[in-house]
Amino acid sequence: DTAVSQTPKYLVTQMGNDKSIKCEQNLGHDTMYWYKQDSKKFLKIMFSYNNKELIINETVPNRFSPKSPDKAHLNLHINSLELGDSAVYFCASSQDSRGGRDTQYFGPGTRLTVL
Amino acid sequence: GNSVTQMEGPVTLSEEAFLTINCTYTATGYPSLFWYVQYPGEGLQLLLKATKADDKGSNKGFEATYRKETTSFHLEKGSVQVSDSAVYFCALSRQGAQKLVFGQGTRLTINP
Repeated sequence: DTAVSQTPKYLVTQMGNDKSIKCEQNLGHDTMYWYKQDSKKFLKIMFSYNNKELIINETVPNRFSPKSPDKAHLNLHINSLELGDSAVYFCASSQDSRGGRDTQYFGPGTRLTVL
Repeated sequence: GNSVTQMEGPVTLSEEAFLTINCTYTATGYPSLFWYVQYPGEGLQLLLKATKADDKGSNKGFEATYRKETTSFHLEKGSVQVSDSAVYFCALSRQGAQKLVFGQGTRLTINP
């Protein structure tokens, strides 16, 4: 029933590890996104994909690699985790964002803590 | 570049008070404007949106009007409830940009 789901909800790991966050949407949308929310609640786009094609890579370090196996999934893999990667990561989707008018639907977020 | 500026928080009000959260934007062209709400421990939900000048978005007693002349999209509610306590984000999206640009968020606390 959930429109946009993410797993895991919480992720605690050591510096230097590699981890993945998964996102799935059952809305039939064409476009998916990853946003990062820092400790001050500021939200910033990281990536967007349209029909499995990367559209936006907003100056994110190469350690972050999104992968979209199909239109309904957009996973985020992070290599060599650093303390500064601690944040809440939100996945979102929209029908077609090229017009800029479509509502983006957000997942519940994944709180990543790097120790 | 495109940017959104919201009033500084936190904002604390008593139940049934009138709410205004200011939002102004800088953008080329004609962006669509959004208010999202984040309740504690949850993801963001769309509260309302407006896609062209003079449009008014409304939902759950909240309203905001797209004012191109003042580049603003202020959020208002006539009588707030304790359940409105949350963080509110103003955002814009430009045609072809395929991303939301968010303001810094305003934390609202309503006391009974």
